[in-house]
Amino acid sequence: DVKVTQSSRYLVKRTGEKVFLECVQDMDHENMFWYRQDPGLGLRLIYFSYDVKMKEKGDIPEGYSVSREKKERFSLILESASTNQTSMYLCASRSQGYEQFFGPGTRLTVL
Amino acid sequence: GESVGLHLPTLSVQEGDNSIINCAYSNSASDYFIWYKQESGKGPQFIIDIRSNMDKRQGQRVTVLLNKTVKHLSLQIAATQPGDSAVYFCAENISGTYKYIFGTGTRLKVLA
Repeated sequence: DVKVTQSSRYLVKRTGEKVFLECVQDMDHENMFWYRQDPGLGLRLIYFSYDVKMKEKGDIPEGYSVSREKKERFSLILESASTNQTSMYLCASRSQGYEQFFGPGTRLTVL
Repeated sequence: GESVGLHLPTLSVQEGDNSIINCAYSNSASDYFIWYKQESGKGPQFIIDIRSNMDKRQGQRVTVLLNKTVKHLSLQIAATQPGDSAVYFCAENISGTYKYIFGTGTRLKVLA
C-alpha cells in the first residue's frame, strides 16, 4: 500500500514564525502536491512538484514556498506565518496514473 | 476536532439502507473522477474512481455513476454501516493536466 506521511498532526505557531511542513511518500511517485482544506471550501492547491527540484504554483501559492530535494520528500514552507494560514494542510502523491494518495494532514494553528 | 465539515450538507441514513451521494462537476474537459472518504481528523481516503469513457463502475459495496451529459457524478453505498459515517467528496481531473478540482463534500451520518 502507498504510504504518505506528514511530520506533524497538530502544530501551533506564532505570527511571523517560519514553519516547515514535511511530507514523505514511499512509492517512488513522481508527482507530489500540497493542499489546504478550509471549512466550506474544497481542497485548494498550493504547490505541485512533478519531479525532483521541479515545482509549479497552484491556485493559492502566496505566502508559501516549497522544496523538493529528494523524490520522496516534499516540504511546504511558510516564510512568515500569518493567522489566515491557520488551516488543515494535506500532502498527496501520485504516479503517472491519476490516483492521488493523501497523507493524514497537519492541522496548523497560527496565533 | 475536525472542523472541515462544519457547514456541509448532511445525508442521514438508517444502518442497512443504501446511500446515494451526489456531485456536480464543473469542467467538461475533465476525464477522470474520484470519490474520497474523509473521517474526522484524517486525510482523504480513495474509495473508487471512474474514467470518462465509462458510465458505471462497481467496487465492494460501492458504485459510481457518471452522467457526462449533465456533468453529474454519484456514489452509491450498499447496506450502509456505521463505519461509513464520514465526509465524502468528489474530485475531477482535467484531461492532460495535474489539476484536480475538489467538491466541498457531503457528510454521511449512519443512524443505528
